[in-house]
Amino acid sequence: EAQVTQNPRYLITVTGKKLTVTCSQNMNHEYMSWYRQDPGLGLRQIYYSMNVEVTDKGDVPEGYKVSRKEKRNFPLILESPSPNQTSLYFCASSLTAGGFHEQYFGPGTRLTVT
Amino acid sequence: QKEVEQDPGPLSVPEGAIVSLNCTYSNSAFQYFMWYRQYSRKGPELLMYTYSSGNKEDGRFTAQVDKSSKYISLFIRDSQPSDSATYLCAMIFAGGTSYGKLTFGQGTILTVHP
Repeated sequence: EAQVTQNPRYLITVTGKKLTVTCSQNMNHEYMSWYRQDPGLGLRQIYYSMNVEVTDKGDVPEGYKVSRKEKRNFPLILESPSPNQTSLYFCASSLTAGGFHEQYFGPGTRLTVT
Repeated sequence: QKEVEQDPGPLSVPEGAIVSLNCTYSNSAFQYFMWYRQYSRKGPELLMYTYSSGNKEDGRFTAQVDKSSKYISLFIRDSQPSDSATYLCAMIFAGGTSYGKLTFGQGTILTVHP
């Protein structure tokens, strides 16, 4: 089944403790991206990647890191999480960024930083 | 000023009503316009997309783009309780330094009651 998977789905952690949220797609998509969703603010893009080893900042990249060493994986790293990073995170992928291609979203990761 | 503005609602309508959802944007470099639907506790799913001014119809849904006014709309005819969800407009740059960057509106919460 074609899908985007994220792990973990729920995470409660403490300020400053490094964490990684994994994202994997099995559709051989070139384009992958991370979003956070907060009430009243909608979905905001954190980072995106047009292909392996190519990443770019979205609208809210501060406090986050990403890497794209393999086409299928795009992990989101929080080196020192803070309470303002408490949010619902979505990973998404699409065939390419050129022209239009539908973005497929993962199920979301709800992160709470205390 | 946000690049994409969307009235967050909430919007509550009776079954069978015509629903109008709207977004305005400020950057004329946006090339592709999309509407996503998000059910509670799920990732967004693409509903419709378009890239030219005018109307595009798909069943009960019509997407409208007016590039001269920087305004997009989604109309839902004969609304059903199953249409109750959050609707997000989204736009993507097709070139320039922000090539591949996707920007969402804040999302409008719609409830269709029987």
